[in-house]
Amino acid sequence: AQKVTQAQTEISVVEKEDVTLDCVYETRDTTYYLFWYKQPPSGELVFLIRRNSFDEQNEISGRYSWNFQKSTSSFNFTITASQVVDSAVYFCALRIGMGSGAGSYQLTFGKGTKLSVIP
Amino acid sequence: DTGVSQNPRHKITKRGQNVTFRCDPISEHNRLYWYRQTLGQGPEFLTYFQNEAQLEKSRLLSDRFSAERPKGSFSTLEIQRTEQGDSAMYLCASSPPGQGASVNTQYFGPGTRLTVL
Repeated sequence: AQKVTQAQTEISVVEKEDVTLDCVYETRDTTYYLFWYKQPPSGELVFLIRRNSFDEQNEISGRYSWNFQKSTSSFNFTITASQVVDSAVYFCALRIGMGSGAGSYQLTFGKGTKLSVIP
Repeated sequence: DTGVSQNPRHKITKRGQNVTFRCDPISEHNRLYWYRQTLGQGPEFLTYFQNEAQLEKSRLLSDRFSAERPKGSFSTLEIQRTEQGDSAMYLCASSPPGQGASVNTQYFGPGTRLTVL
């Protein structure tokens, strides 16, 4: 069975501080995808990034960066120079298998980390 | 805007009543998913359609729940004899056809919030 753990339930930072959200996953499958989603107060889940199990190259996109380490089964997400608009619940998710017809299409989500950015 | 749409956005019902929710996926997305999210938790998978075929069902989908996608476009989720424990946000997502990484990304709608009194 798959499992995603987001140990941080709530985080508060002052605007312009950097913040890292942790995600640890468990799976016996060797091929899988990892995702981060953002859920603002409006409720809609917004896709941020996906990574497959063969691609450990870390990525920076604007103020966002991701650190994927298979050795520790972690897929952490960092926001640099946080802004009030970053306030939301952030979810890490796992899908086993890759591509069409492989594995399961269901996403396994963590419980989320609520980020509050204080002006 | 051609995102995933869900109707209604909110539904309040009395215990024992039946409710039906609708999801319209992103145009040309052939895969459609239903999830349930309770307060303070992450979404939990309910079921998955590829075109009109229901290919995966979670054990969470009890026999009071039924989902359909008759023409491979929109989908409905019906809950019969609702219970207070059914109160949750019901989320729909879709993903595109074909091969490649984008197939694996699910795009979510705004959800339907169900309150069972």
